[in-house]
Amino acid sequence: GAVVSQHPSWVICKSGTSVKIECRSLDFQATTMFWYRQFPKQSLMLMATSNEGSKATYEQGVEKDKFLINHASLTLSTLTVTSAHPEDSSFYICSARVAGIETQYFGPGTRLLVL
Amino acid sequence: DQQVKQNSPSLSVQEGRISILNCDYTNSMFDYFLWYKKYPAEGPTFLISISSIKDKNEDGRFTVFLNKSAKHLSLHIVPSQPGDSAVYFCAAGSGNTGKLIFGQGTTLQVKP
Repeated sequence: GAVVSQHPSWVICKSGTSVKIECRSLDFQATTMFWYRQFPKQSLMLMATSNEGSKATYEQGVEKDKFLINHASLTLSTLTVTSAHPEDSSFYICSARVAGIETQYFGPGTRLLVL
Repeated sequence: DQQVKQNSPSLSVQEGRISILNCDYTNSMFDYFLWYKKYPAEGPTFLISISSIKDKNEDGRFTVFLNKSAKHLSLHIVPSQPGDSAVYFCAAGSGNTGKLIFGQGTTLQVKP
Protein backbone atom coordinates (compact mmCIF):
# COMPACT_ATOMS: atom_id res chain seq x y z
CA GLY A 1 0.00 0.00 0.00
CA ALA A 2 0.85 3.73 -0.09
CA VAL A 3 2.31 3.78 -3.57
CA VAL A 4 3.07 7.07 -5.27
CA SER A 5 4.05 7.28 -8.92
CA GLN A 6 5.62 10.04 -10.96
CA HIS A 7 5.69 10.55 -14.68
CA PRO A 8 7.94 11.01 -16.50
CA SER A 9 10.90 9.57 -14.67
CA TRP A 10 13.36 11.38 -16.92
CA VAL A 11 12.96 14.34 -19.24
CA ILE A 12 15.36 16.35 -21.40
CA CYS A 13 14.11 19.59 -22.86
CA LYS A 14 15.35 22.71 -24.58
CA SER A 15 15.71 25.97 -22.72
CA GLY A 16 12.51 28.01 -22.86
CA THR A 17 10.11 25.09 -23.05
CA SER A 18 7.69 24.01 -20.35
CA VAL A 19 7.68 20.62 -18.70
CA LYS A 20 4.83 18.99 -16.80
CA ILE A 21 5.45 16.35 -14.14
CA GLU A 22 2.62 14.23 -12.78
CA CYS A 23 2.38 12.78 -9.30
CA ARG A 24 -0.25 10.17 -8.51
CA SER A 25 -1.21 8.31 -5.36
CA LEU A 26 -2.14 4.89 -6.67
CA ASP A 27 -3.83 3.18 -3.76
CA PHE A 28 -4.93 5.96 -1.44
CA GLN A 29 -6.46 9.39 -1.56
CA ALA A 30 -3.97 12.11 -0.75
CA THR A 31 -5.38 15.18 0.88
CA THR A 32 -2.00 16.85 0.62
CA MET A 33 0.84 16.49 -1.83
CA PHE A 34 4.27 18.03 -1.59
CA TRP A 35 6.86 18.90 -4.21
CA TYR A 36 10.55 18.74 -3.42
CA ARG A 37 13.70 19.43 -5.30
CA GLN A 38 17.03 17.75 -4.68
CA PHE A 39 20.40 18.86 -5.99
CA PRO A 40 23.23 16.33 -6.15
CA LYS A 41 24.43 15.23 -2.73
CA GLN A 42 22.12 17.65 -1.00
CA SER A 43 18.99 17.36 1.07
CA LEU A 44 15.40 17.48 -0.12
CA MET A 45 14.17 21.05 -0.30
CA LEU A 46 10.44 21.58 -0.02
CA MET A 47 9.14 23.72 -2.86
CA ALA A 48 5.41 23.79 -2.20
CA THR A 49 2.48 22.19 -0.44
CA SER A 50 -0.55 21.31 -2.51
CA ASN A 51 -4.01 20.62 -1.13
CA GLU A 52 -6.73 19.21 -3.32
CA GLY A 53 -8.97 21.91 -4.70
CA SER A 54 -7.03 24.86 -3.37
CA LYS A 55 -4.03 26.93 -4.35
CA ALA A 56 -0.61 25.62 -3.53
CA THR A 57 1.44 27.16 -0.76
CA TYR A 58 4.97 27.94 -1.90
CA GLU A 59 8.07 28.05 0.25
CA GLN A 60 10.06 31.21 0.50
CA GLY A 61 12.24 31.77 -2.54
CA VAL A 62 10.21 29.51 -4.86
CA GLU A 63 8.71 31.35 -7.81
CA LYS A 64 5.07 30.37 -8.07
CA ASP A 65 4.78 31.67 -11.62
CA LYS A 66 7.66 29.49 -12.68
CA PHE A 67 6.63 26.34 -10.86
CA LEU A 68 2.90 25.94 -11.44
CA ILE A 69 1.21 23.39 -9.23
CA ASN A 70 -2.23 21.96 -9.75
CA HIS A 71 -3.90 19.49 -7.42
CA ALA A 72 -6.96 18.57 -9.44
CA SER A 73 -8.04 15.50 -7.53
CA LEU A 74 -7.25 13.48 -4.44
CA THR A 75 -4.92 11.28 -6.44
CA LEU A 76 -3.22 13.67 -8.84
CA SER A 77 -0.99 16.70 -8.56
CA THR A 78 1.04 18.23 -11.36
CA LEU A 79 4.10 20.45 -11.37
CA THR A 80 4.78 22.49 -14.50
CA VAL A 81 8.19 24.06 -14.87
CA THR A 82 7.51 26.99 -17.18
CA SER A 83 10.12 28.44 -19.51
CA ALA A 84 12.71 26.06 -18.18
CA HIS A 85 16.35 27.11 -18.00
CA PRO A 86 19.49 25.06 -17.38
CA GLU A 87 19.52 26.11 -13.71
CA ASP A 88 16.15 24.34 -13.32
CA SER A 89 17.86 21.04 -14.03
CA SER A 90 17.37 18.95 -10.93
CA PHE A 91 15.69 15.93 -9.39
CA TYR A 92 12.06 16.67 -8.57
CA ILE A 93 10.24 14.44 -6.10
CA CYS A 94 6.65 14.49 -4.97
CA SER A 95 5.13 13.02 -1.85
CA ALA A 96 1.62 12.43 -0.64
CA ARG A 97 -0.07 12.08 2.71
CA VAL A 98 -3.49 11.51 4.17
CA ALA A 99 -4.91 14.07 6.58
CA GLY A 100 -4.06 13.29 10.16
CA ILE A 101 -1.27 10.85 9.31
CA GLU A 102 2.23 12.23 9.56
CA THR A 103 3.96 9.90 7.13
CA GLN A 104 4.63 11.18 3.63
CA TYR A 105 5.01 8.62 0.88
CA PHE A 106 7.32 9.58 -1.91
CA GLY A 107 7.27 9.06 -5.61
CA PRO A 108 10.32 7.75 -7.46
CA GLY A 109 11.35 11.21 -8.66
CA THR A 110 11.76 12.91 -12.03
CA ARG A 111 15.15 13.84 -13.39
CA LEU A 112 14.94 17.07 -15.43
CA LEU A 113 17.75 18.17 -17.69
CA VAL A 114 17.37 21.49 -19.48
CA LEU A 115 19.76 22.04 -22.36
CA ASP B 1 19.09 28.16 9.34
CA GLN B 2 19.34 24.38 9.33
CA GLN B 3 16.62 23.20 11.70
CA VAL B 4 17.44 19.52 11.22
CA LYS B 5 21.06 18.46 11.07
CA GLN B 6 22.80 15.22 10.32
CA ASN B 7 26.38 16.03 11.11
CA SER B 8 27.90 12.81 9.81
CA PRO B 9 27.87 12.76 6.00
CA SER B 10 28.92 9.13 5.92
CA LEU B 11 29.19 6.00 8.04
CA SER B 12 30.83 2.66 7.32
CA VAL B 13 29.88 -0.46 9.27
CA GLN B 14 30.70 -4.14 9.04
CA GLU B 15 27.89 -6.53 8.18
CA GLY B 16 26.22 -7.90 11.31
CA ARG B 17 27.23 -4.96 13.46
CA ILE B 18 25.05 -2.11 14.65
CA SER B 19 24.65 1.06 12.59
CA ILE B 20 23.82 4.22 14.50
CA LEU B 21 22.72 7.27 12.55
CA ASN B 22 22.30 10.53 14.38
CA CYS B 23 20.15 13.59 13.90
CA ASP B 24 19.88 16.86 15.83
CA TYR B 25 17.20 19.49 15.63
CA THR B 26 16.77 23.01 16.92
CA ASN B 27 13.03 23.64 16.83
CA SER B 28 11.34 22.45 20.02
CA MET B 29 7.97 22.70 18.27
CA PHE B 30 8.62 19.61 16.17
CA ASP B 31 6.26 16.91 17.37
CA TYR B 32 7.07 14.00 15.11
CA PHE B 33 10.14 12.64 13.42
CA LEU B 34 10.67 10.21 10.57
CA TRP B 35 13.55 8.32 9.01
CA TYR B 36 13.73 7.67 5.29
CA LYS B 37 16.09 5.57 3.22
CA LYS B 38 17.05 6.71 -0.25
CA TYR B 39 18.91 5.20 -3.17
CA PRO B 40 20.37 7.41 -5.92
CA ALA B 41 17.83 8.62 -8.48
CA GLU B 42 14.94 7.20 -6.46
CA GLY B 43 12.42 8.69 -4.06
CA PRO B 44 12.86 8.22 -0.30
CA THR B 45 11.33 5.16 1.31
CA PHE B 46 9.72 5.52 4.72
CA LEU B 47 11.41 3.45 7.43
CA ILE B 48 10.17 4.38 10.87
CA SER B 49 8.74 7.30 12.78
CA ILE B 50 8.39 8.49 16.35
CA SER B 51 6.10 10.90 18.09
CA SER B 52 7.54 13.47 20.46
CA ILE B 53 5.60 11.90 23.32
CA LYS B 54 7.67 8.73 23.01
CA ASP B 55 11.35 8.08 23.49
CA LYS B 56 11.64 4.85 21.56
CA ASN B 57 9.99 3.08 18.67
CA GLU B 58 11.02 -0.27 17.29
CA ASP B 59 10.22 -2.04 14.04
CA GLY B 60 12.18 -5.17 13.29
CA ARG B 61 15.85 -4.33 12.86
CA PHE B 62 15.15 -0.61 13.11
CA THR B 63 14.84 1.33 16.36
CA VAL B 64 14.52 5.08 16.70
CA PHE B 65 15.41 6.81 19.95
CA LEU B 66 14.34 10.33 20.80
CA ASN B 67 15.95 12.52 23.46
CA LYS B 68 13.83 15.64 23.62
CA SER B 69 15.93 17.42 26.21
CA ALA B 70 18.96 17.08 23.96
CA LYS B 71 16.93 17.63 20.78
CA HIS B 72 18.51 14.53 19.39
CA LEU B 73 17.30 11.38 17.71
CA SER B 74 19.07 8.34 16.43
CA LEU B 75 18.31 5.38 14.21
CA HIS B 76 19.76 2.03 15.17
CA ILE B 77 19.96 -0.76 12.62
CA VAL B 78 20.91 -4.13 13.99
CA PRO B 79 22.16 -6.35 12.54
CA SER B 80 23.30 -4.26 9.59
CA GLN B 81 23.10 -5.85 6.16
CA PRO B 82 24.78 -4.89 2.87
CA GLY B 83 21.34 -4.08 1.46
CA ASP B 84 21.04 -1.34 4.07
CA SER B 85 23.68 0.65 2.19
CA ALA B 86 21.93 3.87 1.16
CA VAL B 87 21.46 7.49 2.16
CA TYR B 88 19.41 7.96 5.32
CA PHE B 89 17.46 11.14 5.94
CA CYS B 90 15.85 12.20 9.16
CA ALA B 91 12.89 14.53 8.92
CA ALA B 92 10.85 16.50 11.43
CA GLY B 93 7.39 17.96 11.35
CA SER B 94 4.93 19.81 13.50
CA GLY B 95 1.23 20.57 13.62
CA ASN B 96 -1.19 19.51 10.98
CA THR B 97 0.42 21.06 7.91
CA GLY B 98 2.31 17.88 7.20
CA LYS B 99 5.40 19.81 6.17
CA LEU B 100 8.65 18.00 6.83
CA ILE B 101 12.08 19.50 7.28
CA PHE B 102 14.83 17.14 6.16
CA GLY B 103 18.38 16.75 7.36
CA GLN B 104 21.29 16.63 4.92
CA GLY B 105 21.43 12.86 4.92
CA THR B 106 24.02 10.30 5.99
CA THR B 107 25.42 7.79 3.54
CA LEU B 108 25.63 4.36 5.17
CA GLN B 109 27.89 1.71 3.74
CA VAL B 110 27.61 -1.79 5.14
CA LYS B 111 30.58 -3.91 4.18
CA PRO B 112 30.19 -7.67 3.73
